[in-house]
Amino acid sequence: DQQVKQNSPSLSVQEGRISILNCDYTNSMFDYFLWYKKYPAEGPTFLISISSIKDKNEDGRFTVFLNKSAKHLSLHIVPSQPGDSAVYFCAASVYGNEKLTFGTGTRLTIIP
Amino acid sequence: SAVISQKPSRDICQRGTSLTIQCQVDSQVTMMFWYRQQPGQSLTLIATANQGSEATYESGFVIDKFPISRPNLTFSTLTVSNMSPEDSSIYLCSVEPTGVSTEAFFGQGTRLTVV
Repeated sequence: DQQVKQNSPSLSVQEGRISILNCDYTNSMFDYFLWYKKYPAEGPTFLISISSIKDKNEDGRFTVFLNKSAKHLSLHIVPSQPGDSAVYFCAASVYGNEKLTFGTGTRLTIIP
Repeated sequence: SAVISQKPSRDICQRGTSLTIQCQVDSQVTMMFWYRQQPGQSLTLIATANQGSEATYESGFVIDKFPISRPNLTFSTLTVSNMSPEDSSIYLCSVEPTGVSTEAFFGQGTRLTVV
């Protein structure tokens, strides 16, 4: 039972344009969501998070949007840069519980 | 933040053998986590390792197959026992210094291939 889903295994975006990565979840108990970025041969690194009391969180070029009614979140990267090429994982948790449930990841390729 | 060193970074092992993966953190943390990422799959939590107590295993993972040690607050090991090709995965250790999953830090992973 995949509780966190990233339905697009890959995405290609022109440099300078907006990248939008999507994530859906099924467990209504989740109230904290995170995005991680992973380069080859490295562990995932934390990018940005959002709690369920918000619908948007912004950090520089990265913005995460949360739609609780649709159980959907998205990560926007603008403008996209070549260094953004990586695999992006969405993760969810119940706040106060240390367990993270990850999606399967989306490989983002930024085309120069 | 936390800096995590994980060893080995990769290994190729014969089926039936065991491999122990080490995870060293540059600061004391209460809980350490071991994940597995099978090819094309998401990261799946294997177990949570607390210092001074038995590890807590997730559904589908057992201590006999994945014994864990946690001798102190900065170090843990995961052993993959009696390996088969299905154990070929990336294994990652993780810590959450603040105690809640606001910002988990990961080691670089161990890429295991079982032949």
